[in-house]
Order: sequence, then structure tokens, then C-alpha cells
Amino acid sequence: DAGITQSPRHKVTETGTPVTLRCHQTENHRYMYWYRQDPGHGLRLIHYSYGVKDTDKGEVSDGYSVSRSKTEDFLLTLESATSSQTSVYFCAIRDRESEAFFGQGTRLTVV
Amino acid sequence: GENVEQHPSTLSVQEGDSAVIKCTYSDSASNYFPWYKQELGKRPQLIIDIRSNVGEKKDQRIAVTLNKTAKHFSLHITETQPEDSAVYFCAASNFNKFYFGSGTKLNVKP
Repeated sequence: DAGITQSPRHKVTETGTPVTLRCHQTENHRYMYWYRQDPGHGLRLIHYSYGVKDTDKGEVSDGYSVSRSKTEDFLLTLESATSSQTSVYFCAIRDRESEAFFGQGTRLTVV
Repeated sequence: GENVEQHPSTLSVQEGDSAVIKCTYSDSASNYFPWYKQELGKRPQLIIDIRSNVGEKKDQRIAVTLNKTAKHFSLHITETQPEDSAVYFCAASNFNKFYFGSGTKLNVKP
């Protein structure tokens, strides 16, 4: 498996609290992505990064922010969690024009 | 942005039969089309991919076809086996962004 680790693996949080998910890679890949997976919707792109401090929005970016201060780390922050953000979150890494490798996923529950 | 549509959402076949999953995309700049398999509770993993300069690619029981003019691509699995049961995702990519279809749940009945 590619060297990609997500933390935490599971989290339960209350509505209105901030939450940060971490994606760490040891592959030195340029591209990093955050997706959410919900039944019937497949994998939807939240944000992605194409280099240190270079990020862009995906198709479902409202309510989420990201940061990439180092090549190996890509953080996803929910500023004020809502129940609609209950989901499984996957991080993926990719070198240019190659396959994407996924992390193990983080199951987030907002109560 | 890119819009990837995938059909069918569920597919049930008898062991040994073939299965076909179809996807369409909207962005003519997309040039890389991978297919991922996701088993229950696990991460998606690549099973086959195709680039825009190729029309067809095979890997044992799995094949993918691409029609750039019509903007659609398909996954073909022959001689299906129970271990092929999973959710399959198509994706389209143009350098930076990577968009996925909504998934097809394949059930192979023994």
C-alpha cells in the first residue's frame, strides 16, 4: 500500500464544534485530495492541493477549509460541524497523471 | 467543472456471466479514466485505467473501452466470480482534478 495515513479513523463530535482531519503521506506526491463518501453519491471532491500552500475547491467545498503547509500533510477542517457533514472522508494522493491512492478513511459522526 | 455519470447503480449477475458498467463525462479536457473497486469497509483501489490516446485496454478478465468523441467509457468484467462483488467507481481526470461517478454495486450470485 502507498504510504498514506488518515487520522483519526473514527470521530464523534457535536454540532457547532470545529473538527480537523489529517492526511499524511510518505510518497512525496504532488497532489492530495479530500473526498466525502455518502450512499448514493459516490466520492465527491471537497478540496484538493497541487503543491505546498496551493489548494483549490472541489464540488462540495462549502463548510470546509484545507491547508497544506508541508508536502506530506493535508488538513481538512470543518469550522463548525453540522449533521449534514456526517460522512466517511477519504484522502487520496497522486503523482502527475497517475493513479490515485486512497487512505483508510475517517468515519465522522456529527451529533 | 467535470460531471461524471455512472450506470447502473446496482447490477446483479450470475457467476460466470459478464458485467458491464458505463460512464459518461462532460469535460473534453479529461484525459485519464481509472476504475476503482471498493469492498465493504475498505478503501477504493485501482483495478484498471485508460488514457485518452487509447481506445481499449485489457487485463485478464477486465477490460475498459473509451470513446472520446461520445465522451463515454465502460468497464467490462467477463467470467464473473463471487469475489468480484463490490462497488465499482469510474473517474475522469484532467491533470489536477479527479472526479468520480456515483458508483455501481455489483452482486455476483454463486
